[in-house]
Amino acid sequence: QLQLQESGPGLVKPSETLSLTCTVSGDSINSISYYWAWIRQPPGKGLEWIGSIYYSGNTYYNPSLKSRFTISIDTSKYQFSLQVSSVTAADTAVYYCARQTTVAVSGGNWFDPWGQGTLVTVSS
Amino acid sequence: EIVLTQSPGTLSLSPGESATLSCRASQSVSSSYLAWYQQKPGQAPRLLIYGASSRATGIPDRFSGSGSGTDFTLTISRLEPEDFAVYYCQQYGSSPYTFGQGTKLEIK
Repeated sequence: QLQLQESGPGLVKPSETLSLTCTVSGDSINSISYYWAWIRQPPGKGLEWIGSIYYSGNTYYNPSLKSRFTISIDTSKYQFSLQVSSVTAADTAVYYCARQTTVAVSGGNWFDPWGQGTLVTVSS
Repeated sequence: EIVLTQSPGTLSLSPGESATLSCRASQSVSSSYLAWYQQKPGQAPRLLIYGASSRATGIPDRFSGSGSGTDFTLTISRLEPEDFAVYYCQQYGSSPYTFGQGTKLEIK
């Protein structure tokens, strides 16, 4: 059974770079059938898709967010990562990683399953 | 960007009743590319419905989705205590993928 686990610092100072990692277990991260995604949720608020990456390294991002977000993948470690540069208090959120289906294989781009999430607080 | 508006914001019902949750899109969602998720406090969202009406693996048949174009509905019949949670719709018809603001289903 596929499981995803986020890891990273719980507290980051303003203007610094936030780095999070999602470790995939129970299935291959090299699958041609899926993308791997990052989604965040500010405390008490709704969900925001950040971006997604394919096993080949192909990425696409939410254009509504500024170009401070970078997603990368290390298939040898079964991990994909998120970096957020120049963080502010507005980046305080629970960050989730998730597996994303593809139109070609599943007929759409929904997210299933999700990791348990990790809370990141931006504060000095 | 497609904006999804969910209504009502909060729905108060009793176990055994039926719930009807609405998700309206600011423009047509192509190919009914809409999903529904359930989120309980302190937990990650869980996929319930994809393709507007297909239940995800392991989801009870009291959960059903319908709709097309700009109007979609999640219906939960015979509410169980574990169904009280926040529900989000998500469109994946066009990037950026967007979510509604959520409907909180609470026990009356």
